[in-house]
Amino acid sequence: GENVEQHPSTLSVQEGDSAVIKCTYSDSASNYFPWYKQELGKGPQLIIDIRSNVGEKKDQRIAVTLNKTAKHFSLHITETQPEDSAVYFCAASPFNAGGTSYGKLTFGQGTILTVHP
Amino acid sequence: NAGVTQTPKFQVLKTGQSMTLQCAQDMNHNSMYWYRQDPGMGLRLIYYSASEGTTDKGEVPNGYNVSRLNKREFSLRLESAAPSQTSVYFCASSHRAYNEQFFGPGTRLTVL
Repeated sequence: GENVEQHPSTLSVQEGDSAVIKCTYSDSASNYFPWYKQELGKGPQLIIDIRSNVGEKKDQRIAVTLNKTAKHFSLHITETQPEDSAVYFCAASPFNAGGTSYGKLTFGQGTILTVHP
Repeated sequence: NAGVTQTPKFQVLKTGQSMTLQCAQDMNHNSMYWYRQDPGMGLRLIYYSASEGTTDKGEVPNGYNVSRLNKREFSLRLESAAPSQTSVYFCASSHRAYNEQFFGPGTRLTVL
């Protein structure tokens, strides 16, 4: 099955700096890569996702890049703010030959991001 | 529009006891999921239901059963709880299996 590795496990930055979280996956059939943010005591919330027909996607201060050849994808947060402090998870989802995903997300281990004012 | 709701929020069980975790969504989603979250291990899929009337095993199904009661509700049952099932359980739903998953607030379960 799919295996997703996420690094680093913790990341501490100063407000205004950039933060980068990296993930690798093992199943070349995976084609959907979402990123979730989880605040303390809450469920994960999708912040951005990318599909394998796209190499990069941006949404304001957040961007995701995908390298299918190397099987890795990354989350970039620019101009970090204290409210960006949370746990971030990457995930990957394969699909069958017919192009239908079973929605079986495999998650990375999570990155605790702390943004210091 | 409450999104995904889960009950209870907290539960303490003794080894061998049984319980059912309830999940409901009001977004008319077809697919629903149960995950468990353990420190340092991310979220792992226990069971999912691609559509009403179907259920399938995920990565860690042993010790659990599920019921897709109707389109809105998807319950997770622990028949004989074990300390290894101490975890935070999240329910999620999506319009289709290949779309954004919306998560509930979670149930923190402790098995003594």
